[in-house]
Amino acid sequence: GENVEQHPSTLSVQEGDSAVIKCTYSDSASNYFPWYKQELGKGPQLIIDIRSNVGEKKDQRIAVTLNKTAKHFSLHITETQPEDSAVYFCAAPLTGGGNKLTFGTGTQLKVEL
Amino acid sequence: GAVVSQHPSRVICKSGTSVKIECRSLDFQATTMFWYRQFPKKSLMLMATSNEGSKATYEQGVEKDKFLINHASLTLSTLTVTSAHPEDSSFYICSARAPGQSHEKLFFGSGTQLSVL
Repeated sequence: GENVEQHPSTLSVQEGDSAVIKCTYSDSASNYFPWYKQELGKGPQLIIDIRSNVGEKKDQRIAVTLNKTAKHFSLHITETQPEDSAVYFCAAPLTGGGNKLTFGTGTQLKVEL
Repeated sequence: GAVVSQHPSRVICKSGTSVKIECRSLDFQATTMFWYRQFPKKSLMLMATSNEGSKATYEQGVEKDKFLINHASLTLSTLTVTSAHPEDSSFYICSARAPGQSHEKLFFGSGTQLSVL
């Protein structure tokens, strides 16, 4: 099955700085990598995803990069704002698992004023 | 994105009672929904896959008699925590896959915080 590792577990940045969260996965057959943002007491919200046929995808201040050879993908948030403070989860498909997702352990991002 | 509604958002119950949590897809039909459990500051753990018109598929270690899942329509799945005990206290979240989307793209409900006294 898929094993997803996520780092760091906590990340504190100054407003306006960039934040980078990294995940590694074990199954080379995985081909879809989403990122979710979860605010306190709420369900996760999909913020960006990438397929293995591309190396980078960008949506305004958020970008995701994928390195299939090294089996890792990263979330990049530029010009961070206080409202970016949340827990971020990466995920990868559980191969052979009926298209279920395996989630990383989460990163608590705090954007300080 | 697709909207998944979950109700209630918070419930407090006495030990030994049963609690039902509803998950609805508001603007689409979902043949498959997923139920997750999340402990404070932890990741999401898949409990079961809810299949419309058939039995749910439970992950290893999840008691099917404890966590009853019913997916009677294409827009509604329910999770019933039977004879709840304090150790069942947790944040429960459902998700659904929207039609026309890639088969892995999931949309989540807002979660239910269950507290068993």
